[in-house]
Amino acid sequence: SSELTQDPAVSVALGQTVRITCQGDSLRRYYTSWYQQKPGQAPVLVIYGKNTRPSGIPDRFSGSTSGSTASLSITGAQADDEADYFCTSRDTSGNPSVIFGGGTKLTVL
Amino acid sequence: QLQLQESGPGLVKPSETLSLTCTVSGGSISSGNYYWGWVRQPPGKGLEWIGTIYYSGNTYYNPSLKSRVTISVDTSKNQFSLKLTSVTAADTAVYYCARHFKIQLTGNYYYYMDVWGKGTTVTVSS
Repeated sequence: SSELTQDPAVSVALGQTVRITCQGDSLRRYYTSWYQQKPGQAPVLVIYGKNTRPSGIPDRFSGSTSGSTASLSITGAQADDEADYFCTSRDTSGNPSVIFGGGTKLTVL
Repeated sequence: QLQLQESGPGLVKPSETLSLTCTVSGGSISSGNYYWGWVRQPPGKGLEWIGTIYYSGNTYYNPSLKSRVTISVDTSKNQFSLKLTSVTAADTAVYYCARHFKIQLTGNYYYYMDVWGKGTTVTVSS
């Protein structure tokens, strides 16, 4: 199956660590990526590949995968991290394709 | 600095064709390692990949939309475009254009979207 499942909502206390998860069979084979989206804004790529942050993304963001579950961790969550987070995968063709997870709304308390 | 800008009608009637254009500035759409795509987001919902094009004209579509979607490129204008036919209210969404960069990791190719337009809202209503 190519579907990706995310918890609809997660909360974290300011300064604490939070893990946002993404489950899907394709993650056993392919790397995921993570996008952050704030209200009214376009998504922003925060993690891709094994655990690579694009330029400008704080190092408190990190990614990992175990079996069919990928995780985005935020160490020392900031108020500015409150956003929706979407994981992605790809199909088996090797051509450009994007499969999005349903998204997780992160609330920083 | 590369920028993408969506443009097109904000209101489309049911059964008609939605047409949007993405203008790329600050860089060439013909850059070899980049692809160009469309993503949409219905109100209050998640993201959906629509399709992607290479400057040569090769296209790749979401299977769920493939029968209604056409993406084209005009390298002379540094633009690429989306057409979605037979629209219904379910096609009401914010439509984003984005650049994919291509990398190879452990023998597989990946296409990540690193630059996005701000998005344009399209409402399907009579």
